[in-house]
Amino acid sequence: GESVGLHLPTLSVQEGDNSIINCAYSNSASDYFIWYKQESGKGPQFIIDIRSNMDKRQGQRVTVLLNKTVKHLSLQIAATQPGDSAVYFCAENQAGTALIFGKGTTLSVSS
Amino acid sequence: KAGVTQTPRYLIKTRGQQVTLSCSPISGHRSVSWYQQTPGQGLQFLFEYFSETQRNKGNFPGRFSGRQFSNSRSEMNVSTLELGDSALYLCASSKLGLAGVETQYFGPGTRLLVL
Repeated sequence: GESVGLHLPTLSVQEGDNSIINCAYSNSASDYFIWYKQESGKGPQFIIDIRSNMDKRQGQRVTVLLNKTVKHLSLQIAATQPGDSAVYFCAENQAGTALIFGKGTTLSVSS
Repeated sequence: KAGVTQTPRYLIKTRGQQVTLSCSPISGHRSVSWYQQTPGQGLQFLFEYFSETQRNKGNFPGRFSGRQFSNSRSEMNVSTLELGDSALYLCASSKLGLAGVETQYFGPGTRLLVL
């Protein structure tokens, strides 16, 4: 079936390190991918997105990489800060269908 | 620009009761989607409304229903509540909704506890 999953349920890093959160997707027809950050007691917050005609997109301290050959998505966070501690979800989408979310990776940043 | 708002933020109900949750989208957004989030199942799509019409529906029983008003505000209703309906209910808005390929912006959610 169609699903979006994350490789690791938890990731612990030190403040200042770079973090890499991975996601595998199975629907080759998906053409839009999004990373969301969800802090405790809040709704998912948009971080960055990428369309299937791209393989890399950069934001402020974040980079998303898309490898369509192996259906892999990753989120890189540079100079991770304690405020980055949250659950990170990847989601995939194709026009006309609902977002499909992965199960999330909990990022813990220690100072 | 104000974000997506949801009311109430917290609810406690008992089995068999019904509940209505409300969502106000970002100004100018005509699509509202609802999601259920639980620790075991993660984020699951309930339904999407666009211009007062349900356009997409997830795999949930008929006890879950919704509607959208002319001002794009949306409500979802759950009848005959079951313990398993305890969850965080999230709504998300966007301009085009699922017909397009665009970012959905989420509200803070309504935490429902069924006793």
